[in-house]
Amino acid sequence: NAGVTQTPKFRILKIGQSMTLQCTQDMNHNYMYWYRQDPGMGLKLIYYSVGAGITDKGEVPNGYNVSRSTTEDFPLRLELAAPSQTSVYFCASRQGQLYGYTFGSGTRLTVV
Amino acid sequence: DQQVKQNSPSLSVQEGRISILNCDYTNSMFDYFLWYKKYPAEGPTFLISISSIKDKNEDGRFTVFLNKSAKHLSLHIVPSQPGDSAVYFCAASPGNTPLVFGKGTRLSVIA
Repeated sequence: NAGVTQTPKFRILKIGQSMTLQCTQDMNHNYMYWYRQDPGMGLKLIYYSVGAGITDKGEVPNGYNVSRSTTEDFPLRLELAAPSQTSVYFCASRQGQLYGYTFGSGTRLTVV
Repeated sequence: DQQVKQNSPSLSVQEGRISILNCDYTNSMFDYFLWYKKYPAEGPTFLISISSIKDKNEDGRFTVFLNKSAKHLSLHIVPSQPGDSAVYFCAASPGNTPLVFGKGTRLSVIA
């Protein structure tokens, strides 16, 4: 059982480039989330989804886009990368409120 | 505006002693609280949770206490082991909404 799989694990982008962070879960969870963690800070919510076809903004959505065409996949798109998007990105899923999140291992992104 | 606050960035404890990690929150609508543990280069892993209808939940060496009147929860680890050295995040949510995380406390258990 793989859980939540994130790819890539590391990436260096140049300013203005774009990329997609992939997230896949095999637990049939309806709820999926993208968080970012900056050094010394907690996890901040970027976007989330309560089911296929439904997405909503979190605390820090600017510069990002998401889609949820299937239950399994929740990719995060960065358009026009900026140095402020240098961070570690975590994808997570859960079955419902009374369940904890299952996190992926993260993607470390550096924008130079 | 930080809704979940972990005011101690770090904590050092001797092996075998009790570790107490604290968390304060401001949103009285929070009704579900969780603790996560994170090792370097890994994603956070779920540790223990408590709903607002309880004031204590225990799982092996880990116990979470909730004081709703003080808007405070704490995680007790007894006895502490070197493998417990990690960053611990407190998180909370009101209803079935995304979790709000604190900044984390780095626990070092010294052998």
